[in-house]
Amino acid sequence: QLVLTQSPSASASLGASVKLTCTLSSGHSSYAIAWHQQQPEKGPRFLMNLNSDGSHTKGDGIPDRFSGSSSGAERYLTISSLQSEDEADYYCQTWDTGPWVFGGGTKLTVL
Amino acid sequence: EVHLLESGGGLVQPGESLRLSCAASGFTFSTYAMSWVRQAPGKGLEWVSGISGSGGSTYYADSVKGRFTISRDNPKNTLYLQMNSLRAEDTAVYYCAKGGCPSTSCYGDSWGQGTLVAVSS
Repeated sequence: QLVLTQSPSASASLGASVKLTCTLSSGHSSYAIAWHQQQPEKGPRFLMNLNSDGSHTKGDGIPDRFSGSSSGAERYLTISSLQSEDEADYYCQTWDTGPWVFGGGTKLTVL
Repeated sequence: EVHLLESGGGLVQPGESLRLSCAASGFTFSTYAMSWVRQAPGKGLEWVSGISGSGGSTYYADSVKGRFTISRDNPKNTLYLQMNSLRAEDTAVYYCAKGGCPSTSCYGDSWGQGTLVAVSS
């Protein structure tokens, strides 16, 4: 069964960097994913799609501070030079033949 | 610029029906798959249903199969979700999302602002 696992929470200081992790279930390590950001009281926003080789394509207007990488079944979202507006929920998403699958989300707190 | 605008949400009683619409603009609507994703209060994102660009393929989450129907009107650039036999657990903000490909086997790359559906007696 295709499952994405994310840590429920993360925190980092203003101006620092943070790396969020999304783990694909066993047997699905070659799958690509997408990262989405949801700021408080707002709809989600597409950040990037991320392939198993680490190549990624960001959405329109997404700052260079956001980057993606991959290692095995792990998919990462790195945010550098953290700003207050980066405090948000971050979801990873993948897909099978038809259905989408979301991770449980990581709530990022900027200290 | 891609723009997705949902409408049709509201407060209904258990067992009633509701039809959501999503008006799309800024892209060639018929080229891309579309999905509905919902978010219950205080919870994460849950995929509900998806439809290919042509409308020929549709998919549903087990939780809504047999009760919800997704459709699209490509000449009108509009996506629909017919929701029947609504239950309290269907209460959520419903988002329309554009896929990055003609098939649903792809990432979502644009989102609407959502419409609230509340099911309560």
